[in-house]
Amino acid sequence: DTGVSQDPRHKITKRGQNVTFRCDPISEHNRLYWYRQTLGQGPEFLTYFQNEAQLEKSRLLSDRFSAERPKGSFSTLEIQRTEQGDSAMYLCASSPQGLTEAFFGQGTRLTVV
Amino acid sequence: LAKTTQPISMDSYEGQEVNITCSHNNIATNDYITWYQQFPSQGPRFIIQGYKTKVTNEVASLFIPADRKSSTLSLPRVSLSDTAVYYCLVGSTGTASKLTFGTGTRLQVTL
Repeated sequence: DTGVSQDPRHKITKRGQNVTFRCDPISEHNRLYWYRQTLGQGPEFLTYFQNEAQLEKSRLLSDRFSAERPKGSFSTLEIQRTEQGDSAMYLCASSPQGLTEAFFGQGTRLTVV
Repeated sequence: LAKTTQPISMDSYEGQEVNITCSHNNIATNDYITWYQQFPSQGPRFIIQGYKTKVTNEVASLFIPADRKSSTLSLPRVSLSDTAVYYCLVGSTGTASKLTFGTGTRLQVTL
């Protein structure tokens, strides 16, 4: 399968714990995005990488959130000291430079209890 | 960023043509119109993109009038598997980070 891959698909964690999600983009895509989606809402942009450089961060991305993309390949999104409000689907997408067609993964559903 | 307005929900019977209209009154000159489809528990999937007039692919058609202040996604002969949420987005090429999703249109197809 050559699509965007996200791991894990589901994560249940206790409030206050740290969690880390991984995204493997389509190999030739140099752009990688993270979105968050809550029930009944459209995806909300969190952050965006071009190769290994994090070029944009949403105001939604608080200090507890950090994202990396070492070597411009896979990316990780870490949430520290999780809160119940962090419960959502976290979506990763990638695209070739110069196009607005983004290819999304199936997401990681986070439940904070 | 150009804001989009689309119906919250639509219902259709299988085999009918479905037209979903999106309003984007403040679209910029270099903005394209893109539609995504999303099934429950899956990421959005690109359907079609256009700048003006009409674009057609194997899945849908996109109609854009001359003033570009609105667009219509046309799904021919829908089936039950077309039940999904459809998002209309407006943004410039070269930076997908500017793609802002609204709440979308929830299409329900029944027999």
